[in-house]
Formats: sequence, structure tokens, C-alpha cells
Amino acid sequence: GQQVMQIPQYQHVQEGEDFTTYCNSSTTLSNIQWYKQRPGGHPVFLIQLVKSGEVKKQKRLTFQFGEAKKNSSLHITATQTTDVGTYFCAGEGGSEKLVFGKGTKLTVNP
Amino acid sequence: NAGVTQTPKFQVLKTGQSMTLQCAQDMNHEYMSWYRQDPGMGLRLIHYSVGAGITDQGEVPNGYNVSRSTTEDFPLRLLSAAPSQTSVYFCASFPSLAGELFFGEGSRLTVL
Repeated sequence: GQQVMQIPQYQHVQEGEDFTTYCNSSTTLSNIQWYKQRPGGHPVFLIQLVKSGEVKKQKRLTFQFGEAKKNSSLHITATQTTDVGTYFCAGEGGSEKLVFGKGTKLTVNP
Repeated sequence: NAGVTQTPKFQVLKTGQSMTLQCAQDMNHEYMSWYRQDPGMGLRLIHYSVGAGITDQGEVPNGYNVSRSTTEDFPLRLLSAAPSQTSVYFCASFPSLAGELFFGEGSRLTVL
């Protein structure tokens, strides 16, 4: 079945450093979504990418969708303590089910 | 506009007991799903529904039952609780497969 792999599993950075998480699918995706879950909270939608090679920005966050629509990345520039949490990617690849990656837990040292 | 409401927020069960986690949404979304979240395992799909009267299994359906009699409600039933079902459960609703998922605040279940 469809699998979505996400790396790294954990990332610890100093405040002000950049952060990137990567998502790879075993199948071509129709779209990919990114979610953020704060500690003790629930996942909250960040963005959706649909087109091959698409790049979207939200302030310090940059999201990319690969040309083959099988991988994606989320890059945060100059992390802040408010960025802490777990970031999940989720994709639908023909199974009519949204499959989540295992997430990348980001901690930021002030 | 409440969004997705899950109850209870916390529950402790003994092995073999049954219970129902409630989920209700007021956004008129056709799609609803249940996930469980365990440390290091991400969000795993238990059951989902594409509309009233229609449900299907996800990745980890064993030990759980669902029904969708109305668009608004999607309860998750644990038939005979086991310690392996200790987890945080999230309900989500969404307008389409390509649409944003709206999650409830979660239900933390402990089975002793």
C-alpha cells in the first residue's frame, strides 16, 4: 500500500537556525498537505500543494512539491520558539485515503 | 461555529470494557475519519466515512467499530478494550479528499 516516509524524526535547533523536514511517497501523489501539531494539541492545517514543482511561502515557511509529485519539503528560516511542535505531511496517492508521515518533532533552544 | 467536537477528552478503561468516543462536526462535511496517535507512529487511520451511511476501514481497524447515521456524527466504538488501544484518538472532518482536514482536540484513552 501507499507509504509516506518523513525525515528526520527529531530535530533540535538553536533559535535563529534554519530547519527542513522531508517527505517521500512510495506512489505519485495527487496533492500533499502539511500540518503542525503543537505539544498537547491537535494537528492544524498549514498548506496544500497540488502542482508539480510548486513552491509556496508563508512568512518564514517555504513548502515545495517535487517535480515527480513523490516528494515534498518544508523549510523554516530563522526558527523561533513559537515554531516548536511536530510537523506532518500527508498525501493521497490513488488509494482515496490520506496517508500521514510519522512527523518531524522540532524543538527550539532559545 | 464549533468545528469538530470530540468527547470525552480523557477516559480510563479496564481491559474488556467497551466505550464510545463521540465526534460531531457542524461544517456539513461529507468526509470524516478517525486516527490514533502513538509516540513515533504518526497518525494512523482507523476508519473513515465518505458520507452518511458509508464507512470503510483504514490502516488499523481491528477492535474498533464505526457508524455514520448522520452527516454530523461519527462515533468510534471500542468493543472490548485492550491495553494496546491506549492512545490519543483524533477525529477529523473534511469537505473532500483534496480538502483541508479539521481535527478535534483529541481523546486520550488509557486501558489498564
